[in-house]
Amino acid sequence: EIVMTQSPATLSVSPGERATLSCRASQSVSSDLAWYQQKPGQPPRLLIYGASTRATGVPARFSGSGSGTEFTLTISSLQSEDFAVYYCQQYNNWPPWTFGQGTKVEIK
Amino acid sequence: QVHLVESGGGVVQPGRSLRLSCAASGFKFTTYAMKWVRQAPGKGLQWVALMSNDGRNIYYADSVKGRFTISRDNSKNTLFLQMNSLRVEDTAVYYCARVSEMATINDYWGQGMLVTVS
Repeated sequence: EIVMTQSPATLSVSPGERATLSCRASQSVSSDLAWYQQKPGQPPRLLIYGASTRATGVPARFSGSGSGTEFTLTISSLQSEDFAVYYCQQYNNWPPWTFGQGTKVEIK
Repeated sequence: QVHLVESGGGVVQPGRSLRLSCAASGFKFTTYAMKWVRQAPGKGLQWVALMSNDGRNIYYADSVKGRFTISRDNSKNTLFLQMNSLRVEDTAVYYCARVSEMATINDYWGQGMLVTVS
C-alpha cells in the first residue's frame, strides 16, 4: 500500500498571500496524483488531477506540480473561500486508493 | 448536472447491519464506475469500495472486506453499500463518488450520509 504524507498539518496564511502545500508518496506514483478541497460540512471537491491539470471550473490560482514521490499544490493568492482542508490522493497503484491525512489552510 | 444523493444512514448497534443507497442523476450512470469513500468524525478520507460500470470489477479496502458489499442497479441509477457486522470504528460519513472517465479519481461526490455504530 502506498502511504501518502502531507505537510504541514496546518498552514496559517493571510488573504492574498501564497500557500504551498506538500504531498509525498512512499513510492513513485508517476503523475497519478489528485488534489481535493474540503470545506466544513461539505464533500470533497476535485481540484487537480494528473498532478497538474486543473479540474473543470477550478480557478487558475490553483496549480499543481511534481512527479514520482514529491508533489506540491500552490494557491497563488489566497481568497476567503480557499480556507479549507486539502487532501492529496494517489491513483497509480490500486487498490487501495490512498489519501494523505490532509492540510488545513487557516486564516492567519 | 451531476447529482449523487446518499440515503440509509443512521445509528446502529455493533454487529448489526445497514444498507446505504446512492441515487445518481444528471449523467449516464451505466458508463461510470462508482466508489464509496468514508470519513470518520474529524478525520481524513478513506476509500471503502469500488465497482466498475458493469459490475464485473469490485474492490474493497481490507478493513471492510468480508463485511461490506458494494452493488448497483443500473436500471435504477442507484449504487448500494450493504454493511454487515458493523463495528464502532465504522462510524463515519459515507460518500458515494463517481469515478472519472479519465482516471480512477472521484470527480463528483454526494453530500454524504452519517453512519454511527454505537
